[in-house]
Amino acid sequence: GQQLNQSPQSMFIQEGEDVSMNCTSSSIFNTWLWYKQDPGEGPVLLIALYKAGELTSNGRLTAQFGITRKDSFLNISASIPSDVGIYFCAGQFRTGTASKLTFGTGTRLQVTL
Amino acid sequence: EPEVTQTPSHQVTQMGQEVILRCVPISNHLYFYWYRQILGQKVEFLVSFYNNEISEKSEIFDDQFSVERPDGSNFTLKIRSTKLEDSAMYFCASSEFGGAPEKLFFGSGTQLSVL
Repeated sequence: GQQLNQSPQSMFIQEGEDVSMNCTSSSIFNTWLWYKQDPGEGPVLLIALYKAGELTSNGRLTAQFGITRKDSFLNISASIPSDVGIYFCAGQFRTGTASKLTFGTGTRLQVTL
Repeated sequence: EPEVTQTPSHQVTQMGQEVILRCVPISNHLYFYWYRQILGQKVEFLVSFYNNEISEKSEIFDDQFSVERPDGSNFTLKIRSTKLEDSAMYFCASSEFGGAPEKLFFGSGTQLSVL
């Protein structure tokens, strides 16, 4: 099956630092997404990417869809305490009529004051 | 802002018992999904549902699982005879369009514990 590996698995950073995490796949995806999950909550969409090479920003977040369509990265600038959580990448190859997503293994982010 | 609602938030059951997890998708959405997340692991696709039938299912979604839209608002996941390894957080999701993943909204989940 399709595998999405994220690195690093976890990060401990200080408030104000920039963060970078990435996601690599054994398969090509047509859409890449980045989600944040807070404890006890469902994933919340941060950024969606649709074209190879696309670079998209959402506030302090920037994500890029790799040229090979097998990877993506997410950057967070000037981290704040509420950035704490687990960040998942997800890919969609687009099967049938429904949006089946394959999720990555997650990067746990801890922000210290 | 409309949201996907799941009940209960926590469910504890004995191995071998049947459980039904309930979801109320966003009202104008037509595509419905169940995902699950075993503690500390990634979120995994279980099943997608459209027009009153299953569109796609994963190998996790075996004969012990079933989904139903019993009325115009609810979407349920039934596990007929629960196993210890069914313990996980189950997320319902819905979307207005089938091919637009950015339109997929997740509920807060039901934590299922099988003892």
